[in-house]
Order: sequence, then structure tokens, then C-alpha cells
Amino acid sequence: QMQLVQSGAELKKTGSSVKVSCKASGYSFTYRYVHWVRQAPGQALEWMGWITPFNGNTNYAQKFQDRVSFTRDSSLSTAYMELSSLRSEDTGMYYCATPIDATDAFDIWGQGTMVTVSS
Amino acid sequence: EIVMTQSPATLSVSPGERATLSCRASQSVGSNLAWYQQKPGQAPRLLMYDASIRATGIPARFSGSGSGTEFTLTISILQSEDFAVYYCQQYNNWPRTFGQGTKVEIK
Repeated sequence: QMQLVQSGAELKKTGSSVKVSCKASGYSFTYRYVHWVRQAPGQALEWMGWITPFNGNTNYAQKFQDRVSFTRDSSLSTAYMELSSLRSEDTGMYYCATPIDATDAFDIWGQGTMVTVSS
Repeated sequence: EIVMTQSPATLSVSPGERATLSCRASQSVGSNLAWYQQKPGQAPRLLMYDASIRATGIPARFSGSGSGTEFTLTISILQSEDFAVYYCQQYNNWPRTFGQGTKVEIK
């Protein structure tokens, strides 16, 4: 079945960077966009942007544009999200997700990666 | 940015009753709206897309309606496993945006 499996929890220092991976299986990796969604503890979901595995094109939410980078390794069917200049407000669960064709309704989600930022 | 406003913030319902959740968009999103269910410690689960289409495997007791700026998710007969937080999300405009969620709790 279609599945996204993310890397494990991270504990980071303020000002550092974090890189989260998202490995796809059960479908053709290049066929579906990969989106990233963040959720601060007890808070709502926040869309960060997408990458198209086919050619690596990206689209970032303005809020994250200066600090985030999405990449992919198609040979590994894996997408990556790197967030730099971490601050305490970046603490939260980071999800990758992929949408139903011709929509941006996300039917497949990774299990989430908890990123904790502490000084 | 389109702001999605959900109401109520918390809905207290007894098992077997009907639950009606609302989502309002700050401008028209057509029918480009999804609903998700999230339980503690879990990733969101897609319930509805294109406002009224049930995602694969979603029981018929879930239904969605609306277009433009006003949307509704109805759970016709609440089961114990339906107590969770529900989010709406628009995908008509960039950036994609979510509502702040409605928590459906046991009355």
C-alpha cells in the first residue's frame, strides 16, 4: 500500500538546522507531489510548501521561504525538508503528505517527525 | 491568504447523536475543500475532498456539503471512534490553509 515513512525525532539547538526525510513506497515516487505540514504542540496544521519529485521544483509558503529547503533523491524515493536558523517556535511535529491526483487534499501522510528546539 | 474559521471550537455530543461542524472561508474557495480527522498522537486522516466526496474507506456516516465560503461536515451517528479533532483545509489558493480545528468530545 502507499506509504510515507519519516525519520526519527530530533532535538536541536537554537540557531541550528534540521533535516527530515520522508521515504515513499507503494507508488511511483515521481508521480505525486510531496507537501510538508507543521503542527506546533496543541495547535492547528500549517502548510509549509511542496516539492515535485519529477523535476525538483518547489513552492514555499512565504512564512518559511527564507529558512526552508525541500530536496529529493528519486533513486531513494525520498524527499527531504531542511529548516535552518531554528528558534523555539519551530518546535513541533513535521509531516510529509501527498495529495489525491488533481487536488491538494492529502490522502497519504507520514507518521510525523517531532522536532524540539531548545537553547 | 485565505483564513479558514471553524466553529464551534469544541462540540460536546453523545454517542449515537448527530454532529454538525462548520467551516467558513474568508473568500470563495469553490469546492476545493477537504476535511481531516486527527486523533491524539496520530497524523491527520483525510475524510472528504472536493467538499463532498468521501475519501477511500471513509464510512457513509460522514458527509460534507457546501461551496464558496460556507462548508459543513456532518457525522450522522457518532461512534466512539469519531471523538477527535477535525480540520478543514482549502486548496483553491496559495498558500494552502487549514482551520484551527473543532474538537468533538464525549458529552
